[in-house]
Amino acid sequence: EAQVTQNPRYLITVTGKKLTVTCSQNMNHEYMSWYRQDPGLGLRQIYYSMNVEVTDKGDVPEGYKVSRKEKRNFPLILESPSPNQTSLYFCASGWDYQEAQYFGPGTRLLVL
Amino acid sequence: SQQGEEDPQALSIQEGENATMNCSYKTSINNLQWYRQNSGRGLVHLILIRSNEREKHSGRLRVTLDTSKKSSSLLITASRAADTASYFCAPGGGFGNEKLTFGTGTRLTIIP
Repeated sequence: EAQVTQNPRYLITVTGKKLTVTCSQNMNHEYMSWYRQDPGLGLRQIYYSMNVEVTDKGDVPEGYKVSRKEKRNFPLILESPSPNQTSLYFCASGWDYQEAQYFGPGTRLLVL
Repeated sequence: SQQGEEDPQALSIQEGENATMNCSYKTSINNLQWYRQNSGRGLVHLILIRSNEREKHSGRLRVTLDTSKKSSSLLITASRAADTASYFCAPGGGFGNEKLTFGTGTRLTIIP
């Protein structure tokens, strides 16, 4: 089944404790991206990747890192999480940024 | 990046009625996509309309695009309770616009 998976789905952590949210897709898509969704602010893109080893900042990249060592995986790294990073995070993939995007189920993060 | 703005922010209609929501954007595009999000879940791609198309249909969905007015509309005919969701537009493409940005969406509620 074609899908985008994210882990963990729910995470509660404390300020400053490094964490990684994994994202994997099995559709051989070249374009992958991360979004955060907050009430009243809609979805905002954090980082995107056009292909392996090619990543670029989205609209709200501060406090996040990503890597794209393999085509299927695009982990999101929070080196030192802060409470303002409490949010619902989505990973997405597509053949191209101009084509349909397939979204993961989301990761709810609470930073205390 | 270019963000679409959906209007209205919220819409409630009786089951069986048609629902129309609109999207406006600011600069030239190559295409525009519409997505649906059920509460707290990942977005699901509904339809993509290219800049040289004026209208596109998919089942009970009809999308129009007016590039001269920089606007698009999504019509859902014969609404069902299962159509209750948030709907987002994403204007895409254009020179240097490799990000796919979403607005805050239209929250559609179908009253049984």
